[in-house]
Order: sequence, then structure tokens, then C-alpha cells
Amino acid sequence: DVKVTQSSRYLVKRTGEKVFLECVQDMDHENMFWYRQDPGLGLRLIYFSYDVKMKEKGDIPEGYSVSREKKERFSLILESASTNQTSMYLCASSSPAAGGQQETQYFGPGTRLLVL
Amino acid sequence: RKEVEQDPGPFNVPEGATVAFNCTYSNSASQSFFWYRQDCRKEPKLLMSVYSSGNEDGRFTAQLNRASQYISLLIRDSKLSDSATYLCVVNDHNAGNMLTFGGGTRLMVKP
Repeated sequence: DVKVTQSSRYLVKRTGEKVFLECVQDMDHENMFWYRQDPGLGLRLIYFSYDVKMKEKGDIPEGYSVSREKKERFSLILESASTNQTSMYLCASSSPAAGGQQETQYFGPGTRLLVL
Repeated sequence: RKEVEQDPGPFNVPEGATVAFNCTYSNSASQSFFWYRQDCRKEPKLLMSVYSSGNEDGRFTAQLNRASQYISLLIRDSKLSDSATYLCVVNDHNAGNMLTFGGGTRLMVKP
């Protein structure tokens, strides 16, 4: 059974603070993703990674950075949190699909971040 | 224009009803299609993949119309436990397996 865990379910931070969101998966998946989810906007991809030390920008990378030092762990960093980064953050992982199969992403429980 | 569009709802239906959701996508290069389910304050979970020939899983039927670029989900004999938000998701393999999510359609099944 795939398990994706996130370090916190709820976080409250102040404007300007540095924020670390951690995500760990136990299925040896190559691919990991960070999304944010906001009412009316759906899930939007921030960053993703196909392998250790690799990262790619998603649709909304501004104000964020990521780190993938180990295969099982993908960290999202808010260098200087702002109020417009208040959101639900979801981590996901997947493995490249074998021929003919469709790849499934497995999500963590999410972190609700409030920036005051 | 959003890449994946869904009616946000809510769809309010009585138990036992049949309900259908549609989703349209703008990227004709999209190659994989999914329906995810998201319960309130929980993470999305894969409900079913959508295949070109259409597929059924119990009370759920998914269909794909590539020519018109839309995907549908039909739920028969709806249960109270079907109440959730249903997310339409597409994947363009040429874009590195990135998923594009619709905003979701909220379903509320009432007794």
C-alpha cells in the first residue's frame, strides 16, 4: 500500500518567515510533485522532480524552491512566506508507467498553511 | 481558458439517483485521462482511469470522446458515501507526465 506522508497537517507562519514542507514516500517512486490547491483554482503544480537532485518548474514556481537530496524525500521551501501563499499544499509521488499502463499519482494528506 | 474545465456544481441528488459529470480539455495532445475523488479536507485519490473504449467499475462508468475532447463519469444508484468532489485529470505524456487537474465537481447525495 502506497504511503505518502507530509510533515505537518496544519501550519501557521508569519509573513517573511522561511517555511519548510516535507514529503516522504515509501514506495521507491522516481517522480515527486508539489501542488497547491485553492478554491476555484483547483490543483496547480508548483515543482516536480524525476530523480534525486533533479527538479523542474511547474506552472507556478514563483516564491518557492524545492530540494530532493534523497529519493524518498521532496521538500518545498518558501524562502519568505507571504499572505498569498496561504493555501493547501499537496505532495504526490508516482512511478513511470510500464508500457500500456497509465501512471497514477498518490497524494499525501496535505498541509494547510496559513501565513499571517 | 482553463485547460481542463468542469462544472463546479454542487450537484444535489437523492440516494439511488443516476448522475453524470462532464469534463472538457483543451490540449488535443492529452493522452491519459483519469477521475480522482476528493473528500472534504482530504487528499485526492484515484477513482478510475479512463480508456478510449470506455470502462466500468461497479456503479461507475467513464467514457472518453477524443473528437470532442471531453470525458464523462456516470454514477448509478448513488450512495450517501459518494458525496465528494470529483476531479477530472488529463496527462500529456509529451509534457513529461505532468497532470493537469480540473477544478472539480462537487456531488452531494441526500437521503
